[in-house]
Amino acid sequence: EAQVTQNPRYLITVTGKKLTVTCSQNMNHEYMSWYRQDPGLGLRQIYYSMNVEVTDKGDVPEGYKVSRKEKRNFPLILESPSPNQTSLYFCASSKRTNEKLFFGSGTQLSVL
Amino acid sequence: AQSVTQLGSHVSVSEGALVLLRCNYSSSVPPYLFWYVQYPNQGLQLLLKYTTGATLVKGINGFEAEFKKSETSFHLTKPSAHMSDAAEYFCAVTGGGADGLTFGKGTHLIIQP
Repeated sequence: EAQVTQNPRYLITVTGKKLTVTCSQNMNHEYMSWYRQDPGLGLRQIYYSMNVEVTDKGDVPEGYKVSRKEKRNFPLILESPSPNQTSLYFCASSKRTNEKLFFGSGTQLSVL
Repeated sequence: AQSVTQLGSHVSVSEGALVLLRCNYSSSVPPYLFWYVQYPNQGLQLLLKYTTGATLVKGINGFEAEFKKSETSFHLTKPSAHMSDAAEYFCAVTGGGADGLTFGKGTHLIIQP
C-alpha cells in the first residue's frame, strides 16, 4: 500500500531537548516536504527536498533541520525545541511538485 | 511566487444544501490548483486537481471545482451536502517549481442536520 509513515503520532517534550520526527515513504517519490499546521494559519512549509542530498528552506524554517540521505526518508530535527514549535506536523511526498501530495497521519508535538 | 486566499474560515450549510467554498489564487506562472480535505485527526487527502485542459474538474465524493483564469478563482462546489462532508478543506496552488504547494488557511465546513 502506498503510504507516508510518520512517527511518533504524539510527542510531549520539554524546552531544549533535541527530538527527531521520522518520515518514510514507499512510493519512490523524489519530492518530500514538511509542513506545520496551526489554527487559523493553515499549512506552512518548513523544508522541502527535491531529491537525495537536495534540501531547501520553506516559509518557516527557523528552529528546524532536515536531512535526505536516502530517497525514502526525510526526518525533521528540532535541535532545541521551544514552546512556539508546539504544533501539528505533516510530512508529504509526491513524484513531482505539480502532482498529488501524499500526506502522513501527522505528529502532534507539545513543547512544555 | 504564489498565494491562496480562502474566503470564510467557517462555512455552515444544511444537509442537502449546496456547498460552495471559495478560493482565489495568485501565481506568476500558469497554476496547478488543488483542493484537499482533512477529516478530524487525519492527514490531508486529495479531492481534486486542475493542471491543464478542461476547466471544470470533478473529484471524489461528488465535489467539483471550476478554474476561472479571468477571476483567478478555483471555487469548490457540491450540489447536496452530506453529514460526512464535515471537515476542513484546503485550497492549494503551485507553479510547478521546487517549493511545491502553497496552501490557503483552510475552511471548516459545518453541516447542520
